[in-house]
Amino acid sequence: AQSVTQLGSHVSVSEGALVLLRCNYSSSVPPYLFWYVQYPNQGLQLLLKYTSAATLVKGINGFEAEFKKSETSFHLTKPSAHMSDAAEYFCAVSDREDSSYKLIFGSGTRLLVRP
Amino acid sequence: DTGVSQDPRHKITKRGQNVTFRCDPISEHNRLYWYRQTLGQGPEFLTYFQNEAQLEKSRLLSDRFSAERPKGSFSTLEIQRTEQGDSAMYLCASSLDSGTGNFGPGTRLTVT
Repeated sequence: AQSVTQLGSHVSVSEGALVLLRCNYSSSVPPYLFWYVQYPNQGLQLLLKYTSAATLVKGINGFEAEFKKSETSFHLTKPSAHMSDAAEYFCAVSDREDSSYKLIFGSGTRLLVRP
Repeated sequence: DTGVSQDPRHKITKRGQNVTFRCDPISEHNRLYWYRQTLGQGPEFLTYFQNEAQLEKSRLLSDRFSAERPKGSFSTLEIQRTEQGDSAMYLCASSLDSGTGNFGPGTRLTVT
């Protein structure tokens, strides 16, 4: 069985500050891990995915995430927050590389960016 | 590439009525997925099509729910005898084989 836990339903940062969104997973098989962003009234957009090729994954919009097997974590970071980063972020796990197939999502973290 | 489109974007219905949603995937995408997202939660997988074949169904998909993808193009999701617990955002996604999927904007269903 697979599951995802996102710590913090809301995270607030100042513009220009570091963004850190936490994700821990549970999986009985080697996991594929994903981060998605959802803007209001829009569909989910894939930010990045981990497929075992490299533990540090770079995504779009300056985001990156590091897979740490010992900590069962896949935290999302961005060095400097921008106002346009305000959105809801979802971490997801799957047992396949397909970025849409039977994803198990966390409950999401809403990122607020203060001017 | 016009993206995945879903229709309607919003639907309000009374309990007990039937509703049908439509998803138009990106034209060359052979895989199509339906998810449901309730307020404050992440999306939950409902079902998966490869071309016209429905290959996987979640246990969440009760017998009041049926999905089709005739001719491997657009897909419909029908809910019969709607209940208040069906109120959610219904998301559709499509992909070409195991490539990056694209999600549509969703259909928000409110059952009164």
